[in-house]
Amino acid sequence: DIQMTQSPSSLSASVGDRVTITCRASQGIRNDLGWYQQRPGKAPERLIYAASTLQSGVPSRFSGSGSGTEFTLTISSLQPEDFATYYCLQYNSYPRTFGPGTRVDIK
Amino acid sequence: EVQLVESGGGLVQPGGSLRLSCAASGFTFSNFWMSWVRQAPGKGLEWVANIKQDGSEKNYVDSVKGRFTISRDNAKNSLCLQMNSLRAEDTAVYYCARGDGTANWGQGTLVTVSS
Repeated sequence: DIQMTQSPSSLSASVGDRVTITCRASQGIRNDLGWYQQRPGKAPERLIYAASTLQSGVPSRFSGSGSGTEFTLTISSLQPEDFATYYCLQYNSYPRTFGPGTRVDIK
Repeated sequence: EVQLVESGGGLVQPGGSLRLSCAASGFTFSNFWMSWVRQAPGKGLEWVANIKQDGSEKNYVDSVKGRFTISRDNAKNSLCLQMNSLRAEDTAVYYCARGDGTANWGQGTLVTVSS
């Protein structure tokens, strides 16, 4: 199975900050990676697919990059509604695997 | 607008069975892979299973193989997850999702396995 790791596991940031979350795969997954946001008590929502393609309707302050084993999600200017937990998902091989999540809190 | 509505969750005893359903609308259901993902209370997301457009291919995480069966009815725009021999560790919110890359998610249905 492909193991996904995320760093940091949590972070505290202020509105307007630039935030970067890293996701690493235990083996190469090309660009078969998505990023998800989950607010408390809500279902996850996809932000990014194919590592860097913005989901329709998602604000442009979100961006993704990377290929192979290392990927990043960047929020260029953190907004109040962005305080949530973020997960990556690899869909290159079975079983599909999620990262453990990165919680973004208000500083 | 894509809508996915799960149902069928509830409280079940260890060793029992439950059948989850997902009603899909707002897209051509038969054109998409469909997936189930779960989330144990206070924990992260875990991919459970997916099924190809025509039902000819099904994939499962090891922990549910032989116990869970994913199926679909394209005529009814419906996805199902039959869960047998349930264990305490299967307790989770179960989400139905559109696509292999899980583009859209339902609101989830809670399954609690406890005596």
